[in-house]
Amino acid sequence: QKEVEQDPGPLSVPEGAIVSLNCTYSNSAFQYFMWYRQYSRKGPELLMYTYSSGNKEDGRFTAQVDKSSKYISLFIRDSQPSDSATYLCAMSAGYGGSQGNLIFGKGTKLSVKP
Amino acid sequence: EAQVTQNPRYLITVTGKKLTVTCSQNMNHEYMSWYRQDPGLGLRQIYYSMNVEVTDKGDVPEGYKVSRKEKRNFPLILESPSPNQTSLYFCASRPGHYYEQYFGPGTRLTVT
Repeated sequence: QKEVEQDPGPLSVPEGAIVSLNCTYSNSAFQYFMWYRQYSRKGPELLMYTYSSGNKEDGRFTAQVDKSSKYISLFIRDSQPSDSATYLCAMSAGYGGSQGNLIFGKGTKLSVKP
Repeated sequence: EAQVTQNPRYLITVTGKKLTVTCSQNMNHEYMSWYRQDPGLGLRQIYYSMNVEVTDKGDVPEGYKVSRKEKRNFPLILESPSPNQTSLYFCASRPGHYYEQYFGPGTRLTVT
């Protein structure tokens, strides 16, 4: 079993839809959970960050972490064509030194159709 | 502008011809890392460095070398490239005790 599992999609939704992206993981030491967004021909950029369990909201984006189930989610409300990108979950056991090494999911490719 | 730069952005080479991909950051970050991204495999870490002269292997280090002689630079060296090293490579950096990594724009390498 890989450390981080993420459905690669692709996922296609109409503009305005609510999008749900998910990852599962196996390493209970993970405490820091991130979502990166990667546009075509670009490097990943940090979108959301959550420490331990709970929810975090930033505009149309909500990140959820359920450590008991080893499951993280990213919700996008009122999705826009500009949200079309690959979304990568990433996690680490710490953020200092080698504990800060990120383990990435494979990424989910999202397409939002006008 | 705070950024991570990589050169070249695109490279086509032949098997066995040594090459270096440069990475530079202007944010005074301690930590730097190299990843490769392949379809169906995602981002995998090749090597990382926690500071000058301190480097360590990531998940897929075979066939690669790195050095960290200056804080801002972290070159990736392929001494004898092979076709299975055809990939999209990303350099990233972050402060030593902070979670956010900043990625470069990527280098698309093709080895024939």
